[in-house]
Amino acid sequence: SQQGEEDPQALSIQEGENATMNCSYKTSINNLQWYRQNSGRGLVHLILIRSNEREKHSGRLRVTLDTSKKSSSLLITASRAADTASYFCATGLQGGSEKLVFGKGTKLTVNP
Amino acid sequence: SAVISQKPSRDICQRGTSLTIQCQVDSQVTMMFWYRQQPGQSLTLIATANQGSEATYESGFVIDKFPISRPNLTFSTLTVSNMSPEDSSIYLCSVGLGASGELFFGEGSRLTVL
Repeated sequence: SQQGEEDPQALSIQEGENATMNCSYKTSINNLQWYRQNSGRGLVHLILIRSNEREKHSGRLRVTLDTSKKSSSLLITASRAADTASYFCATGLQGGSEKLVFGKGTKLTVNP
Repeated sequence: SAVISQKPSRDICQRGTSLTIQCQVDSQVTMMFWYRQQPGQSLTLIATANQGSEATYESGFVIDKFPISRPNLTFSTLTVSNMSPEDSSIYLCSVGLGASGELFFGEGSRLTVL
């Protein structure tokens, strides 16, 4: 069953604006990850945040994790047209397995 | 990191036939994962393939429909058997490298069943 639920399902912004995507999950996790997918191709890992971390940065990406609310957010600052893609959160469940459970994704469109 | 090659990248298949997708990794990995992504949807895990043992299938997926082979630490195949239009999806192979927790994905195999 799907673990993560992203919102919004679709987001359209102008270049230069910030994009925020949210993810909620249901069970206890070991980590939460964000992936990007361009137009039905393979997924690319963006960032991983562990369950004992609250915030993480990587370039223009900022991820927060609130385990009490079972939610995470991905912020892309100063967006570019090349950021247009679908973004998925995925949860690594407790127990040590490498398998991930993916959310439904947010389709981001950045207009030039 | 890991580089994953999947073949075929896309195919159009007739109802009732079977197709085998190959996944080759450039390094030895313990676990390989097969995901399905139906049109406009997210990824759903089909099964986990360990070398030397039978694959572990997720709820809703069975070995008769999706037989998996894992002959060595760098290669796996997924067969989609007796295909119907509902099997039209992107099938993705992925691997983890253990400590980091992140997964690396192939480019996917886009199957269209007529």
